[in-house]
Amino acid sequence: DTEVTQTPKHLVMGMTNKKSLKCEQHMGHRAMYWYKQKAKKPPELMFVYSYEKLSINESVPSRFSPECPNSSLLNLHLHALQPEDSALYLCASTEDRGRYGYTFGSGTRLTVV
Amino acid sequence: GESVGLHLPTLSVQEGDNSIINCAYSNSASDYFIWYKQESGKGPQFIIDIRSNMDKRQGQRVTVLLNKTVKHLSLQIAATQPGDSAVYFCAENIFGEYGNKLVFGAGTILRVKS
Repeated sequence: DTEVTQTPKHLVMGMTNKKSLKCEQHMGHRAMYWYKQKAKKPPELMFVYSYEKLSINESVPSRFSPECPNSSLLNLHLHALQPEDSALYLCASTEDRGRYGYTFGSGTRLTVV
Repeated sequence: GESVGLHLPTLSVQEGDNSIINCAYSNSASDYFIWYKQESGKGPQFIIDIRSNMDKRQGQRVTVLLNKTVKHLSLQIAATQPGDSAVYFCAENIFGEYGNKLVFGAGTILRVKS
């Protein structure tokens, strides 16, 4: 298995809702990432997990809460989001130093209404 | 540094011509670089990579050039096809005290005219 799988593919949520994005990989990668991508912009790093521990938080607002239950799974819990949080959320993984490439999922298209 | 929020530059080429997409990176300590292709509604797709101890690497129809002196990368696509139309991003792997991260450049839209 050489894929990163993200669910759901599309999500519409209200500003008072709580939802979660999920990411899964079975390549044995020990580093996993969340990126946010707005239209016509490059992906921007949000969080990095290394060996299931949060290693980098790029000053992301607390309404985004990451979780890494095990080495294959990465979640992003969403609560009280704003319309400007609407974006494509991408998950990626790599062996621990990123020197053999990063594999990206297809993303979750999130719309906050 | 991170990408600046400007409109993406666009490169328009005729089918069959060669394309050259350029990218400037920010961190002299970056040791590994990757070019990605992204089609509408999809995640970034790996095209080719290069390590900092190399100047050039070739793949199938693609070549990446690295100039560390001026911190510049380029992607050359030979005999460009309509299926090459997409947004292209360069990315640099930065290894820091707290782990490694991939930082993307601003991106270029490639449009192939038939």
